[in-house]
Amino acid sequence: SQELEQSPQSLIVQEGKNLTINCTSSKTLYGLYWYKQKYGEGLIFLMMLQKGGEEKSHEKITAKLDEKKQQSSLHITASQPSHAGIYLCGAAPLRAGGTSYGKLTFGQGTILTVHP
Amino acid sequence: KAGVTQTPRYLIKTRGQQVTLSCSPISGHRSVSWYQQTPGQGLQFLFEYFSETQRNKGNFPGRFSGRQFSNSRSEMNVSTLELGDSALYLCASRQEANYGYTFGSGTRLTVV
Repeated sequence: SQELEQSPQSLIVQEGKNLTINCTSSKTLYGLYWYKQKYGEGLIFLMMLQKGGEEKSHEKITAKLDEKKQQSSLHITASQPSHAGIYLCGAAPLRAGGTSYGKLTFGQGTILTVHP
Repeated sequence: KAGVTQTPRYLIKTRGQQVTLSCSPISGHRSVSWYQQTPGQGLQFLFEYFSETQRNKGNFPGRFSGRQFSNSRSEMNVSTLELGDSALYLCASRQEANYGYTFGSGTRLTVV
């Protein structure tokens, strides 16, 4: 089965600092999703990456998927207290025919704390 | 456009009882997936429905079941509740492959 490893498990930064969260897969990914979660609440969709080498940005958050489609990084520039939360990467396995199953495997999450 | 709606938001049940959770997907989304989130196991896939058919199932006992209606609304049922079933249950919907999943706020189930 597909395993996703996130690092670091937790991160404490000062407001204004940049940070990176990594997500590594044991298998080639069909799609890689990044979500943010506030404790006890639902997941907020950030970005979806599908192509090797793909990079997407939204506001101060940039996500990249490597060429081999086995590793992704999430980078936050000039962090703010509003960025605090749990960041989760989720992966969809590749199915014959080039589509994904409707099942996501998630990493264990990275807890981000941003001190003002 | 309304998001994914899960009801109820919170639920307290006694061991041995059964429970039904509801999920209304975003209008036009035909795929609905369910996940269980616990501090120890993280987010785990339960099952996925598309056009009233179960397409995928995770590694959960038969006490966990679900269904999808013709309007794409979905329910999941847990029978003979155990203390270990206490968790946040999340529902997600999407239009089809190649689209992102949108999650609801979840139902917090506590079994006492």
